[in-house]
Parts: sequence; structure tokens; C-alpha cells
Amino acid sequence: AQSVTQLGSHVSVSEGALVLLRCNYSSSVPPYLFWYVQYPNQGLQLLLKYTSAATLVKGINGFEAEFKKSETSFHLTKPSAHMSDAAEYFCAVSVGSGTYKYIFGTGTRLKVLA
Amino acid sequence: NAGVTQTPKFRVLKTGQSMTLLCAQDMNHEYMYWYRQDPGMGLRLIHYSVGEGTTAKGEVPDGYNVSRLKKQNFLLGLESAAPSQTSVYFCASSDGLAGFANTGELFFGEGSRLTVL
Repeated sequence: AQSVTQLGSHVSVSEGALVLLRCNYSSSVPPYLFWYVQYPNQGLQLLLKYTSAATLVKGINGFEAEFKKSETSFHLTKPSAHMSDAAEYFCAVSVGSGTYKYIFGTGTRLKVLA
Repeated sequence: NAGVTQTPKFRVLKTGQSMTLLCAQDMNHEYMYWYRQDPGMGLRLIHYSVGEGTTAKGEVPDGYNVSRLKKQNFLLGLESAAPSQTSVYFCASSDGLAGFANTGELFFGEGSRLTVL
């Protein structure tokens, strides 16, 4: 069965520093991978997704993620953190085109320090 | 452009009471989902639907029932609420499975915060 592991439930970075949020997946078949962001008291919204077209995926707000099959990883990065990036980030996986379910990681709360 | 709308946004129940959460989407999506979000546990799938008149169980279905009588609506019911069902509930919809023809993107409502005393 597919699963998602997010390392670090809380991450703190200084404003202007690199953001790195880790996501590893488990899947016996090629997955589709997603990053969602949740701002306080809001629902989740899509940051970016990987659907096998390109291993380096660019998303909104300057975020990007790289699919690495050999490492079963899909880490989220942003070169320079902004205060407005403070939120909770979720990695999610769906498997193939015959699965109707999306499995979410437990989330990483990003704090940006002034 | 409403997207996905959940009602109510807040509710307090006593143990044993029943209630229904309503999710409505205006994007003509076939697929709809109910998740619950608890601290440190991420989002867990309760039930989902792949089209009008269909429902299926997710990871944590016990204590919940759902119905999808109309394509745009997906109802989540608690027949006899328990304190363990205190959570934030999210409804989501999708245009289809992630794949060649579909985006697979989930669109979420703003959540319904339920407290069971």
C-alpha cells in the first residue's frame, strides 16, 4: 500500500533562508505526488504536483519540488523564505490512474523568523 | 466563484447527538471526499464518492455515514456522536484521478470544526 512520510512536524527558518521540507513516499508503482499548503483557519490549496511529465516541478509562490525515484523522495524547496510562507504543508500521493484516493502525510508546520 | 462550500463551519454536540455536515461544489466534479484533520495525524479519509449515487469507505469510516444524492452535494452524517469525533472536517472535490487527462487536483472547503462534549 502507498504511504507518505514527512520528516519534521515543525521547521523554523529565518526570513530569506532556504526552505526545505521533506517528503518520502512508498509505492510499488509510479505515483502521482502533490504538495498542498494550509494557511491558518483555511482549507488546503495546491502548491504543485508531479505526474511524471518532468522530475523538477515548479509551483506557486516560488516553491519547487524534485521527484527522485531512487530516493523515493519529493522534497519541497524555496530559495528564500518570506514571512507569508508560514503555514502547514502537506505532501500527498495517489497511485496510478485506477486509484480514487489521495493519501496525505502528517504535515510540516513552517515557521519563518524575522 | 464559490468552489467548495461546507456548512456549518462550527458545531458543538453532546455525546449521542446526531448531525449532518453538508458539502456543496459548483465545479461539476465527479469525485468528492470527506477528510478529518487531527493534530499530528494529517488528513485521514473518511468516505469518498466517485459519482452521483455512489459512496465508498476510506481509512476511518466507523461512526460516519455519507450520501451523494446529487452530483454537487456530499453529506457526512454522525448518527451518535462521540468525543473521539471531535475534529476539523474537510470536504474536497476533484475533476478526476491524477493522470494524463485530468489534473487530479483536490479543491478543499474551509473546514467544519466539530466539538463533541
